[in-house]
Amino acid sequence: AQSVSQHNHHVILSEAASLELGCNYSYGGTVNLFWYVQYPGQHLQLLLKYFSGDPLVKGIKGFEAEFIKSKFSFNLRKPSVQWSDTAEYFCAVIRGSGGGADGLTFGKGTHLIIQP
Amino acid sequence: ETGVTQSPTHLIKTRGQQVTLRCSSQSGHNTVSWYQQALGQGPQFIFQYYREEENGRGNFPPRFSGLQFPNYSSELNVNALELDDSALYLCASSSGTSGAFYSYEQYFGPGTRLTVT
Repeated sequence: AQSVSQHNHHVILSEAASLELGCNYSYGGTVNLFWYVQYPGQHLQLLLKYFSGDPLVKGIKGFEAEFIKSKFSFNLRKPSVQWSDTAEYFCAVIRGSGGGADGLTFGKGTHLIIQP
Repeated sequence: ETGVTQSPTHLIKTRGQQVTLRCSSQSGHNTVSWYQQALGQGPQFIFQYYREEENGRGNFPPRFSGLQFPNYSSELNVNALELDDSALYLCASSSGTSGAFYSYEQYFGPGTRLTVT
């Protein structure tokens, strides 16, 4: 079974700082990767996804992530954060072959606080 | 386009009781998945329904069961509630074919907060 590790549980940054949230997964086969965001009082929303092709994927609100297969990583980045980026961020993975329905495997989340 | 809706928003139950949570999928979506999110944790996959049949299950005991209806809405039933069942229960819908939904984005509802006392 696959697992996801998010290295930073709490991150505090100032506005305009650069952001990188780490995500590593354990699964030897083909995977589909996701970052979800949960703003305060709102439901989980898809930030970006990787299925195949260009390992650098761009999502909404200026976020991007890079899939590095050799490192089993899918780190989330944003060059300049805003106060409105304060939220909980979840990395998730699902196996990309073999059929069936395993469901998404989520990391424990990173609570990001942006200080004005 | 109507998003995923869940009811009720909050629920308080006593240990040993049974509970039913409901989910309406986003229009056009035929697959529904349920997740449990304990405090401070990421969501954990409970099971998935496609064409009214369970076609995938996570590491949850049989007292967690579900249904999917012809309109693709779904129910999650939990019997013999335990204190550890206190969590946010999330429903997610997606558009899959032959149950191979992994290539498709999942859209989450706001969740039902269940408290077991």
